[in-house]
Amino acid sequence: ELVLMQSPATLSVSPGERANLSCRASQNIGINLAWYQQKPGQAPRLLIYGSSTRLTGIPARFSGSESGTEFTLTISSLQSEDFAVYYCQYYMTWPPVYTFGQGTKLEIK
Amino acid sequence: QVQLVQSGAEVKKPGSSVKVACKASGGTLTRDAINWVRQAPGQGLEWMGGIIPMFGTATYAQKFQGTVTITADASTSTVYMDLSTLRIEDTAVYFCARGPNYGTAFDIWGQGTMVTVSS
Repeated sequence: ELVLMQSPATLSVSPGERANLSCRASQNIGINLAWYQQKPGQAPRLLIYGSSTRLTGIPARFSGSESGTEFTLTISSLQSEDFAVYYCQYYMTWPPVYTFGQGTKLEIK
Repeated sequence: QVQLVQSGAEVKKPGSSVKVACKASGGTLTRDAINWVRQAPGQGLEWMGGIIPMFGTATYAQKFQGTVTITADASTSTVYMDLSTLRIEDTAVYFCARGPNYGTAFDIWGQGTMVTVSS
């Protein structure tokens, strides 16, 4: 069974600085990985799919990359509205399988 | 653009069942994969299952086989999630979420429905 491990669990960063969030897959998943942002009391919001493709309307400061089974979400210059919980997700076409990481909380330092 | 609007919060007794609705506003859902995702209080996201209304047959995560039933009414662009034999641990927010097909990321989400199971 595929497991996605996100690290760190909590990341404290100052506004204007860069944040790197990691998601490691327990097996090869190609680039079938997405990143979501969730703020308290809200539904998740899709940011990145296909490991590195930004959804239309997502600011360019959000970027995704992959190296083997290690995936990274980078936020280049943190804005106040970026402090939230971030989840990675693996998706497979058939049979449909969707696995989420446990999340990384990005908080203001 | 399509929006997903979910039915309101529910309070249920253990052993009962709950049915949550997810309706498309501003478009239709016929060809899309509509999924259900659960989030227990303070916890992460968990995929429960999904359906493509045009085809009508749902698929489920192994954990939820036998306790969740997902159905669709293509004529009203509404998808339903029925959770039976509720336990205290089923207390959670339930989201519906759209993917253009199975095996794609979820680009549109409903607002979530809080289901509280309490004796």
